[in-house]
Amino acid sequence: DAGITQSPRYKITETGRQVTLMCHQTWSHSYMFWYRQDLGHGLRLIYYSAAADITDKGEVPDGYVVSRSKTENFPLTLESATRSQTSVYFCASRASGTLSYNEQFFGPGTRLTVL
Amino acid sequence: RKEVEQDPGPFNVPEGATVAFNCTYSNSASQSFFWYRQDCRKEPKLLMSVYSSGNEDGRFTAQLNRASQYISLLIRDSKLSDSATYLCVVNMNYGGSQGNLIFGKGTKLSVKP
Repeated sequence: DAGITQSPRYKITETGRQVTLMCHQTWSHSYMFWYRQDLGHGLRLIYYSAAADITDKGEVPDGYVVSRSKTENFPLTLESATRSQTSVYFCASRASGTLSYNEQFFGPGTRLTVL
Repeated sequence: RKEVEQDPGPFNVPEGATVAFNCTYSNSASQSFFWYRQDCRKEPKLLMSVYSSGNEDGRFTAQLNRASQYISLLIRDSKLSDSATYLCVVNMNYGGSQGNLIFGKGTKLSVKP
């Protein structure tokens, strides 16, 4: 019962490189989310997806690309990494349903450093 | 004005103390409210939902005041294991983003022996 996993857990890359962060969930949740967490900002939504092949921008989407060809996977790509994208990235998922049941389950996070 | 505001703390309290955290939210259309807990270098996890009538889960009590757009969390008889950052979370139930959550920056609690 893995739940929601992220890989890699730690990544160091250089400015300008493309980086893909992976997220996989085993619950068949409809919704998936990508957040970044930085000191002084808290969790900020980058992109989200309501179902396979349906994605939408969150609060801070610039510089990121997502795709969702399968319900269980939601990769996040930094097309040309910048130092300002150094952060902790969390993937999350939740089931569809009434708004009262909004619990999001988070993955363990990926710590990304861009040099 | 930030959508969800919390006192960042830190709150340093002795074991057994009662501590209260407050949170305000800016959008009156918000419908769902939560407290999440985040341990150091870990992912956030749901602590409890917050219902209009107030709700309790063991040592934890959550209150909601819709008129004032105010949420609170009370922890009684603090334990060392309660040390964490507590995130106030509001559902962004408006526009095209139903179901998305807005997170406060968190309030850090440190319980000392």
